[in-house]
Formats: sequence, structure tokens, C-alpha cells
Amino acid sequence: GAGVSQSPSNKVTEKGKDVELRCDPISGHTALYWYRQSLGQGLEFLIYFQGNSAPDKSGLPSDRFSAERTGGSVSTLTIQRTQQEDSAVYLCASSLGARGEQFFGPGTRLTVL
Amino acid sequence: GEDVEQSLFLSVREGDSSVINCTYTDSSSTYLYWYKQEPGAGLQLLTYIFSNMDMKQDQRLTVLLNKKDKHLSLRIADTQTGDSAIYFCAETISGGYNKLIFGAGTRLAVHP
Repeated sequence: GAGVSQSPSNKVTEKGKDVELRCDPISGHTALYWYRQSLGQGLEFLIYFQGNSAPDKSGLPSDRFSAERTGGSVSTLTIQRTQQEDSAVYLCASSLGARGEQFFGPGTRLTVL
Repeated sequence: GEDVEQSLFLSVREGDSSVINCTYTDSSSTYLYWYKQEPGAGLQLLTYIFSNMDMKQDQRLTVLLNKKDKHLSLRIADTQTGDSAIYFCAETISGGYNKLIFGAGTRLAVHP
């Protein structure tokens, strides 16, 4: 596809369950970012991947959050033992190189009941 | 620390100019950005300005940067109903990559 895609578009889960959110970046983009958009906190940086380098995980809010990027392409954000405060829209972005313009996906809206 | 602030809401009449303001705290910011978010959609980059510039114009959009006061503004000329959206100001700090620090967003409502 031409843009960044994310799946699912919506996810409703029960408190305590694990969830996986997927991001497909633009083909050829080496940099990939995850952000979270929530009512209380606005838009926050979560994690950054660049090629085969170690990711910058400095924005992950707790050790329940983890992310991986397989083969330098698709990325999965995993939230374990979800809490209600994890409810947010999770946005993925990719860019051509570390300083390139970031192109955002449509996001995954996560609701934790 | 890094902090970006914006007013939360702006209402304008169709055809008027809109001015959305933003302040930031990190003097080492290299690029400053304006993003647009329409309902149910992702973020769209509108324009950006490098920190050594004072002004950038792109069609109906004018960005003004006052580096001394750490103040950024976005002016939209001849505002249309299609401009109704949330506008986010964002900065990146010097470093190896473009970690974006966003403001809370300004909701622009355009009325007839």
C-alpha cells in the first residue's frame, strides 16, 4: 500500500488481557515510531526503531508495554495485563531515515473495559 | 525539559484568517512542525520550519517563529470549512532522530 497501515482499527478488551497492535510501515522506510494519543496525556512518544539498531524505548510507560520490529519492517506493540488507563489511540509513523518526515497511520483505538 | 503548549480551541468565520499559537520550552529545538488531524484520521504534516528561520509561507499557510520568545504561530488565510480539524504544534530536539514532542492540540471550528 501507499501509506502506513495499522490493525486492528478498533480493539475492545477486558482489563487484564494482553493485546497486540500491528503497524505496517511504508515500504523502504527504515525508521518507525509508536505514539499514544489519550485524553489525559495528549500525544506521547512511546518507542523508536531505526534499521537494526537497538530501539529507543524511553517513552514506554511501564514494563507491561513492549514492541518489536521483525525484519526491519512490520512492528508489533504488545500491552500485557491491560489497564483502563491504557485506553487510547495508538499511532504508528514511519520515515525514510532518522531525520525524515514522519508519515502517520490511521491509528488503533484501544478501549479497555 | 521539553514542553509544548497551545490554546485548546479557536472559532473563526469562514473566509477570515485563523491564527493558532504555540509556545515551546526547549531552546535546542531544531525543527518545529504543524500537523493537522481530521476526525477519525491520522496526523497529516502541514508544514514545518527550521529553527534558524523566522517565517515560512506555503500557499494559504504562514508560519512565524520567534525564537527569542520560543513562540510559533500558524496563520491560515481565507479559512474554509474543510480546515476544521485539530492542529498540533510539535518540536524535535537536537539528536539522532526526530522524536516529536507535541502540544495538546488546538481545535479549529470554522462557521459560516
